[in-house]
Amino acid sequence: EAQVTQNPRYLITVTGKKLTVTCSQNMNHEYMSWYRQDPGLGLRQIYYSMNVEVTDKGDVPEGYKVSRKEKRNFPLILESPSPNQTSLYFCASHGGAAYNEQFFGPGTRLTVL
Amino acid sequence: GDSVTQMEGPVTLSEEAFLTINCTYTATGYPSLFWYVQYPGEGLQLLLKATKADDKGSNKGFEATYRKETTSFHLEKGSVQVSDSAVYFCALALTGFQKLVFGTGTRLLVSP
Repeated sequence: EAQVTQNPRYLITVTGKKLTVTCSQNMNHEYMSWYRQDPGLGLRQIYYSMNVEVTDKGDVPEGYKVSRKEKRNFPLILESPSPNQTSLYFCASHGGAAYNEQFFGPGTRLTVL
Repeated sequence: GDSVTQMEGPVTLSEEAFLTINCTYTATGYPSLFWYVQYPGEGLQLLLKATKADDKGSNKGFEATYRKETTSFHLEKGSVQVSDSAVYFCALALTGFQKLVFGTGTRLLVSP
């Protein structure tokens, strides 16, 4: 089954404690993205990757890092989380053309105290 | 910049009512347009899409027509069901860009 998986699904942490949210896709997609969803703002792109070792900033990259060492994985790293990063995070992948469907993971709800 | 504007929700309807959720966009090029749906506790799923002017996307009784002259992509369904209760997002993607630009989402609540 084609899917994007994320872990953990829920996470409560404290300010400053480094964390990683993992993302994996099994569709051999080149393109992967991270979005955050906030009430009244919709989804905004944090970072994206066009291939292994190729990443770039999206609209709201401050406070986040990513890496793409393997095609299937695209972890999101918060080195020093702050309360304003409390949000619902989605990983997505797609085949590359603008008209392609993006496949989304189930989401990770992060709370930073 | 590129943007998507959706009607504010929630939209509350009775079962079998007609649904319209308005969506307009601003884009510098010729975008592909999408409607994604988010059921409670789940990620987003593609509902339908249209890739050029006058295209009609349709799926599960929902449809939307890409109107270049009015820069709109309104979502419609003739008879909603309780199971259609969800948040609906309108989005666009431009050739050469690797992201979706989303509207703020519209929550639909359908009562029996």
